[in-house]
Amino acid sequence: EVQLVESGGGLVQPGGSLRLSCEASGFTFSSYAMSWVRQAPGKGLEWVSYISGDGGRTYYADSVKGRFTISRDNSKNTLYLQMNSLRAEDTAVYYCARVAALGPLEYWGQGTLVTVSS
Amino acid sequence: DIQMTQSPSTLSASVGDRVTIPCRASQSISSWLAWYQQKPGKAPKLLIYKASSLESGVPSRFSGSGSGTEFTLTISSLQPDDFATYYCQHYNSFPWTFGQGTKVEIK
Repeated sequence: EVQLVESGGGLVQPGGSLRLSCEASGFTFSSYAMSWVRQAPGKGLEWVSYISGDGGRTYYADSVKGRFTISRDNSKNTLYLQMNSLRAEDTAVYYCARVAALGPLEYWGQGTLVTVSS
Repeated sequence: DIQMTQSPSTLSASVGDRVTIPCRASQSISSWLAWYQQKPGKAPKLLIYKASSLESGVPSRFSGSGSGTEFTLTISSLQPDDFATYYCQHYNSFPWTFGQGTKVEIK
């Protein structure tokens, strides 16, 4: 059974940093691209970032480019999102998701809440 | 960047109704479109990929159609479990984007 479990969310001050983790199980992690998607309270879904299975290709939404870094450790079956220079508008539930071979987001974690506030 | 537009933001329907939810892309995305269902407090669930392919385990009352810039999610006979918010998403090129969502509520 595919499982994705996010952690690392919490309350952080504007300008601060946070690193999210997503531990994967039930599949060969290195064979799949992964992505982060976020959802601000009461709002819609926003795609944040993508990383290929070997970590060699990464892409970002314009809203986080230069501030967030996606990475993965295939030996630990874990996906990461390093978030720097956080702003109030980054407040959201952050989901990690497995990318299917044809591109859609086929499995999702339960999400972790990040709150940016002083 | 490709923008995805969903309208209306809310749709009222009754159990048994046929429901169609439109989604428009700002430029052609071929068939690189997915549909997701999300219930309050839960993660989204993939329903349809490549515009019209039904994800395994998803009831056959859900179907998708369209290509290029115009797409539709259809629920042939709305069931109580289907009251939720539905999002389209393109994966034609980066950055990927979602539509704003259409909430299907009880009439």
